[in-house]
Amino acid sequence: EDKVVQSPLSLVVHEGDTVTLNCSYEVTNFRSLLWYKQEKKAPTFLFMLTSSGIEKKSGRLSSILDKKELSSILNITATQTGDSAIYLCAVDANFGNEKLTFGTGTRLTIIP
Amino acid sequence: SAVISQKPSRDICQRGTSLTIQCQVDSQVTMMFWYRQQPGQSLTLIATANQGSEATYESGFVIDKFPISRPNLTFSTLTVSNMSPEDSSIYLCSVEGTGRSGANVLTFGAGSRLTVL
Repeated sequence: EDKVVQSPLSLVVHEGDTVTLNCSYEVTNFRSLLWYKQEKKAPTFLFMLTSSGIEKKSGRLSSILDKKELSSILNITATQTGDSAIYLCAVDANFGNEKLTFGTGTRLTIIP
Repeated sequence: SAVISQKPSRDICQRGTSLTIQCQVDSQVTMMFWYRQQPGQSLTLIATANQGSEATYESGFVIDKFPISRPNLTFSTLTVSNMSPEDSSIYLCSVEGTGRSGANVLTFGAGSRLTVL
C-alpha cells in the first residue's frame, strides 16, 4: 500500500523564522510529488516535483525532491503570519490511475 | 487551471438524513474526484466520477452510502446518505489539470464542511 508520511505534524514558529517541512514516501511506480497549502478548506497547489535535485522556487517557498531518499522538503524563509496553514504532501504513483496519496499534513502556525 | 464551484460550503445535518453536494467546473473535464477530509486527518479519495459510466469507488467507500452522479463533463454531485456523526467532514471536489510542468495537478473546490448532529 502506498504511504506518505509528513513531519513534523505541527510546528509553531515566530514571524521571520525559516522552516523546513518534510515528506517521505513509500510507493510503487512513482510519477511525481506535489505540495499543497490548505488554509481553510480547499488545498491550493504549490509545487510539483518529478526530478531529483532540481529546486522549485516561488517567492519565499522552495522545494526539492530526493528520489534516492524517497523524500522531499518544503522550505519557507522569512515566514509571515499568512503562511499559517496545513501543508500537504501528495504522491502520484499509479500509472493509468490518476489518484494521489496524501500525507496527513504539517500544521504550521506563525506567531507575530 | 479550472475554476470549481462547490456548494453548499457548509451545512449542519441531522442524523439519518442525506445531503447532496454539487460541483460545477468551468471547463469540460474527463474525471472528477471526490475526497473526504475528516477532522485532523488528511484527504482520502472517495471515488472517481467519469461521465457516462458508474463512479469508481475506493476501498472502504460504497455506492449506497456515497452515490455519485456525473451527468455531463462539467458537473457532478456526491450524496452522503443516512448520515451519522462519523460523516462529519470536509468533502472536496477536484479535477485534474495540466500544470506548467505536466499533468495530474489537482485543483480543488472550496469544500463543503458537513456537521452531523
